Amino acid sequence: GAGVSQTPSNKVTEKGKYVELRCDPISGHTALYWYRQSLGQGPEFLIYFQGTGAADDSGLPNDRFFAVRPEGSVSTLKIQRTERGDSAVYLCASSSLAGGDEQFFGPGTRLTVL
Amino acid sequence: GEDVEQSLFLSVREGDSSVINCTYTDSSSTYLYWYKQEPGAGLQLLTYIFSNMDMKQDQRLTVLLNKKDKHLSLRIADTQTGDSAIYFCAVLNSGNTPLVFGKGTRLSVIA
Repeated sequence: GAGVSQTPSNKVTEKGKYVELRCDPISGHTALYWYRQSLGQGPEFLIYFQGTGAADDSGLPNDRFFAVRPEGSVSTLKIQRTERGDSAVYLCASSSLAGGDEQFFGPGTRLTVL
Repeated sequence: GEDVEQSLFLSVREGDSSVINCTYTDSSSTYLYWYKQEPGAGLQLLTYIFSNMDMKQDQRLTVLLNKKDKHLSLRIADTQTGDSAIYFCAVLNSGNTPLVFGKGTRLSVIA
């Protein structure tokens, strides 16, 4: 596609539920990043994929968070047993190379946990 | 780890220059970026500078880098109301790939 797309744009869920957030990177981009932006904060790194494998998942806050990229393109961020503190905008970015190459950001998914 | 700091608010009059400042802590930072975020929109890369440069100019934008002081600034000449947004400084460290962002500076342009 023309840019990075993310679905859904908004997600409202109840505490304790499971959610999946999807990211479609720019075609051909091998690197894919997930960031989380809480209100009034800058984006914070969660996980980075190079191809199908997670090259760095050090930013995932706990084991309720998991992400996959099975075919090296689309990625899904999965959050189990959601908590109110998970409410944020989840941003996805992709780049054609790892490190230094421009990261193109999607519009984000706004997650609200009630 | 890397820590990136920015002032939170800046207000300027239309037509004046805006200067947004950023400090970082890791001297091995290799790429430094400025992103713009408008309400409800994604992050837009405005400009970037490599650590071996001290200045970069791109139309109304001027980036200054002081490596000794670990200080980065973005100057917007002839600021317009359309420049009102949140501006994020982001740093990429050598050998690592995720960006480390500041908290953002909210620029308000008064007509």
